[in-house]
Formats: sequence, C-alpha cells, structure tokens
Amino acid sequence: QQPVQSPQAVILREGEDAVINCSSSKALYSVHWYRQKHGEAPVFLMILLKGGEQKGHDKISASFNEKKQQSSLYLTASQLSYSGTYFCGTVPDNYGQNFVFGPGTRLSVLP
Amino acid sequence: EAQVTQNPRYLITVTGKKLTVTCSQNMNHEYMSWYRQDPGLGLRQIYYSMNVEVTDKGDVPEGYKVSRKEKRNFPLILESPSPNQTSLYFCASSLTGTLYEQYFGPGTRLTVT
Repeated sequence: QQPVQSPQAVILREGEDAVINCSSSKALYSVHWYRQKHGEAPVFLMILLKGGEQKGHDKISASFNEKKQQSSLYLTASQLSYSGTYFCGTVPDNYGQNFVFGPGTRLSVLP
Repeated sequence: EAQVTQNPRYLITVTGKKLTVTCSQNMNHEYMSWYRQDPGLGLRQIYYSMNVEVTDKGDVPEGYKVSRKEKRNFPLILESPSPNQTSLYFCASSLTGTLYEQYFGPGTRLTVT
C-alpha cells in the first residue's frame, strides 16, 4: 500500500515556500526523499530515521513524525532549480529492507 | 566516475519474447533494486537484493525474475513480456540496505506490443 503524498501538484513563484507531505498507513522505520527532473533519474535528497529527526541542507529540510507515520518536506525561498517531481520512499518498521514510494508531487517554480 | 548503468536504454519488443535488462554499478554497493515507474503511480519496487546471497520480492514482482550472481550486476529478466509491462524501469544501488541513499541508473524505457 503506497503512502499518500499531498498535494499532487503545486505551482510556485521564485522565492515562495512549499510543503510536501507524505503519509503512510503502516509503521515506518525511515523515510527517504528524492527529486526527479523530467526525463532524468531520481536524485536523493535526504533520509529521516525513526526518532522524529529533522534534517536539512541549504533551503530544503524535512521532518518525520513516526507516531503519525508522516513526513514533510519543506522548501523555502524556492528556486527555479527546485522544479521537478518529489517522491517519498518509505521503509516499514518490520526489519524489512524494501521501499514503498509515494505517487509523487509535481512542483513547478515559475520566474 | 561512480555510476549505475543500464542497458538497453530503449527497447521495443513483442509479447512473449524473452528479454533481459542489464544493470551494473561500480561503487561496490551491496544493495541493488529494480523499480518500474508508471504515470500517477510513482516508483514501485519489483525486486531487491541485500547482497549476492539474498534477493527478495518488492511490491510488484509478478512477471519478472532477477539474478545476482556477482555484486556489481543485477539483471532484470522478463521471460514472457506482456503489454502491461510497458513502463520505465530504473535500477538503483546503495551501500547497504535501506539506511543509505540510493543511486539510480538512467532508466530503460520498455514498450511491449
């Protein structure tokens, strides 16, 4: 069962902020975030492990609430280069080593 | 250059004709995985391999086989392809397990007529 991502799509102007949410019905050990530009392979952004850890680099950060089985990706002061589709990849909290990705959120940043 | 390579990049074939998509990584990674990507569905894991001795099914393994005879290679085999296997396929690898980032190959676009 795939995690749910919201919103499905979002359009921003340069400099605006965005939040992308990922919600699972299963207990999670970790959440991975990837960005995929059109016609390219997904590229890793960050991993969040069980423990409610918040991470970030540059103007992209993320949080993970293991009790709610939810993660959020925060993009602040968006740049044109942030455009793409963002996927959360979840790892179940059952010693499994498989990934279950969400359907993706398409982000478009306009000048 | 550290990378994951896939071949072929594009393939058009007919129903029932066996095919293999190769995947190779030069980073000495233990974990390798195959995904298919379809519009609106994101990435769905087909198979993954923890190491050369352990391979397991992902969410959508039906109609696919994999083989991990050596650490660097992880081919995807479609013994009897069907039109519903038309998709974009990605191979990925990570250092070990799910605690590390995955590096994705460039993708293979497969069309089965």
